[in-house]
Amino acid sequence: QKEVEQNSGPLSVPEGAIASLNCTYSDRGSQSFFWYRQYSGKSPELIMFIYSNGDKEDGRFTAQLNKASQYVSLLIRDSQPSDSATYLCGRGDTGRRALTFGSGTRLQVQP
Amino acid sequence: KAGVTQTPRYLIKTRGQQVTLSCSPISGHRSVSWYQQTPGQGLQFLFEYFSETQRNKGNFPGRFSGRQFSNSRSEMNVSTLELGDSALYLCASSPGTLPSYEQYFGPGTRLTVT
Repeated sequence: QKEVEQNSGPLSVPEGAIASLNCTYSDRGSQSFFWYRQYSGKSPELIMFIYSNGDKEDGRFTAQLNKASQYVSLLIRDSQPSDSATYLCGRGDTGRRALTFGSGTRLQVQP
Repeated sequence: KAGVTQTPRYLIKTRGQQVTLSCSPISGHRSVSWYQQTPGQGLQFLFEYFSETQRNKGNFPGRFSGRQFSNSRSEMNVSTLELGDSALYLCASSPGTLPSYEQYFGPGTRLTVT
């Protein structure tokens, strides 16, 4: 079992819809979770991080963390074609100070 | 505030050669991590430096090494290059503080080994 699991997609949503990206993890010692967006040929860009159970909102983005279920998600409201990219979920732990990433979910927003 | 810079951006090397990549973190950030990204393995952690000390190391052979200078700039070196070392090498800068230690990636160095 991989430490961080993501559906590779592609996840296709129409413009203006809510895109829901999911990530599960196996290590209960995980402390923090990070969502990165990566456009083709570019480096990952940090969107949000979350380390407490519940929701965290930033503009059109909402991260949700459920440590009991070992599940973290990213919701993108009012999706735009410019949101089309690969979204990487990363987990960190205090002991290791390194992030472990999933393989990423490719999102396609259809105009 | 300026972002993370990496040099060179592109590199072509021959098997058996060695290569040194450079990274300058965001001003004030003391933690620098290195990652390798390939289509097959995804984004994998190489090592992390904080205040010139390697704090963590990923599961890579000893051919991969790094160092950090007093100004937080970091270099990574790969010796005896293999074809499988072709990848995008990413440097990530972080304040290095708990509980969250978000990392900001540089543009990367695309290494091709022929």
